[in-house]
This record gives sequence, structure tokens and C-alpha cells, in this order.
Amino acid sequence: LAKTTQPISMDSYEGQEVNITCSHNNIATNDYITWYQQFPSQGPRFIIQGYKTKVTNEVASLFIPADRKSSTLSLPRVSLSDTAVYYCLVGGTGGKLIFGQGTELSVKP
Amino acid sequence: EAGVVQSPRYKIIEKKQPVAFWCNPISGHNTLYWYRQNLGQGPELLIRYENEEAVDDSQLPKDRFSAERLKGVDSTLKIQPAELGDSAVYLCASSLTMQWDEKLFFGSGTQLSVL
Repeated sequence: LAKTTQPISMDSYEGQEVNITCSHNNIATNDYITWYQQFPSQGPRFIIQGYKTKVTNEVASLFIPADRKSSTLSLPRVSLSDTAVYYCLVGGTGGKLIFGQGTELSVKP
Repeated sequence: EAGVVQSPRYKIIEKKQPVAFWCNPISGHNTLYWYRQNLGQGPELLIRYENEEAVDDSQLPKDRFSAERLKGVDSTLKIQPAELGDSAVYLCASSLTMQWDEKLFFGSGTQLSVL
């Protein structure tokens, strides 16, 4: 099972772009990379998923280099409501999705 | 469309008492998960069901924890007897299948306090 490493916390200001990088050196060929967001007193919520290169949706972008040993979640122009914990997960078909400690993002005015 | 529903939202019990949590997954979702989340930590998988079959319960402390998913829909997680260290948030999640795009939908959780 691929283990992930991400910063414990990050600070940002409203309107800035935030990039959270996750390391997963032991990622397997069949593994996908998924990011979840969790607000206090709520369960995690799916943000984005990718296998390689770049994926973009209405919320975020996910950049994955060719070696797939890391990935970067990019949040454009964050607002106060983006303050949350962000989890990077690696897993594939039928596999176990393991949450790490996550990155606590604090967005300030 | 209703999301994953969990009850109760909060539960306070004394140690050695039993407690049960209930989960109703999103309609049509075959896979159901129970996670435990300690304060400041990420969720930890306890058990995963594919329909009514528990396909992964390796992290479930079987001496005191039990779970069931009758008819492959609702699920109940039970602790008997509860210990102080069981205080945590218990999250239920569901997904359509176990295929590669395994997007999990979580409920709001049950916050358990064991006194």
C-alpha cells in the first residue's frame, strides 16, 4: 500500500493560489491519486482524482508528474471557506484507501 | 438526493456500556465503509462491505467491535463494552462500486464520548 506524505499545515490569504504537494514514492501502477476535503464536524468530501498529467474541475486542479511519485493539489484564489483539512490518498481497484494525517489549510483575510 | 445518513449525531456513554451506530448509505451504493477518526488524525478504516459481505475487516477490533449490513443496505456498528480509548468520531461512507473511480461519500459521523 502506497504511503503518502504531505505538510501538516499551511497558511494562505484570501485570493491567493494554494498548492499542496503530496509525496507517494511507492505508488503502484494501478493506483489513482485522490484528494478529499474535510471541514470541522463533517465527513471528508471528494475534491478531485487523477492518474497522470493534469486534471481540472470546477473546484481544483491536480498536477501529476510523469514519474507519479508526487502530486500537487492547486486551489485557485482561495477564500475563507476553503479553510479545511486536505487529504491525499493513493489506491486502486478494490484497494484500501488509507487516509494520512492531512494538511490543515488556514485561509486568512 | 439524500447523502449518507448517520445516527445518532452525538453519543455520550460511560465506559463498559454498549453503544451502536447506524448508517444508511446512498441508494444504489454497493460498497459501505466504517471509519474511525481520532482528534487531529485522518480517518482509519475499520471495515468495508461489498453488499452484505465484509470484504475487509482486518482493522476491526473484533474483541469488542462488531458490524453488520443486513440485506446489503443499512449497516450497524456496535461496541461492547466501550472503553475510554474508543472516544472518536465514527464515520460511515459509501461508494457505487469498488472500481477505479472509487469516490467515497461520507456521512457527518457520530461523535462518541466515553466517560
